[in-house]
Amino acid sequence: EADIYQTPRYLVIGTGKKITLECSQTMGHDKMYWYQQDPGMELHLIHYSYGVNSTEKGDLSSESTVSRIRTEHFPLTLESARPSHTSQYLCASSEQGHEKLFFGSGTQLSVL
Amino acid sequence: GENVEQHPSTLSVQEGDSAVIKCTYSDSASNYFPWYKQELGKGPQLIIDIRSNVGEKKDQRIAVTLNKTAKHFSLHITETQPEDSAVYFCAASKTSGTYKYIFGTGTRLKVLA
Repeated sequence: EADIYQTPRYLVIGTGKKITLECSQTMGHDKMYWYQQDPGMELHLIHYSYGVNSTEKGDLSSESTVSRIRTEHFPLTLESARPSHTSQYLCASSEQGHEKLFFGSGTQLSVL
Repeated sequence: GENVEQHPSTLSVQEGDSAVIKCTYSDSASNYFPWYKQELGKGPQLIIDIRSNVGEKKDQRIAVTLNKTAKHFSLHITETQPEDSAVYFCAASKTSGTYKYIFGTGTRLKVLA
């Protein structure tokens, strides 16, 4: 069982609100990732980090931002949520030098 | 750009039958090919993977085959059971540099009891 946790599990908010999706892992992994999963199932990489103070944008453009101040924590923030941000957000991590991804259970975000 | 095509998008099989999901990748430098299973309400979990120096790998009822020349790889599930019902993703990656995955579009497998 992977030790990577996402909160909240579900979030329903109104347009214009600022939100932060939390992701924490207790495995000491250097690499962490955020994926956006649309209803059609596809996984799109929106952010990744190779260690503390390292963040990069992924393949899919996103208005969200991330930070990596601590190895175990990789939060994602939306300054002003919109209905187009409604999606499932999955956090993942991997160990340096290993390819296997460990995923959290995801946050289902609905913006009204 | 780099992409991974996955077919079929949905697959229904009778319990006990076999299921095959196929993927094709575009980047010939890809050398690592994992398969992930995503059950309802959960994140994807790795079920099997294969590297480019191997043509086939098996783990109990699950097997993966790789044809580097054709840039195809496939997941085979034998003796399917209802608990195999899930969404399956293939992916391709290069194990140098970033390890960024290119995921397939997913296959929703339904095993009918």
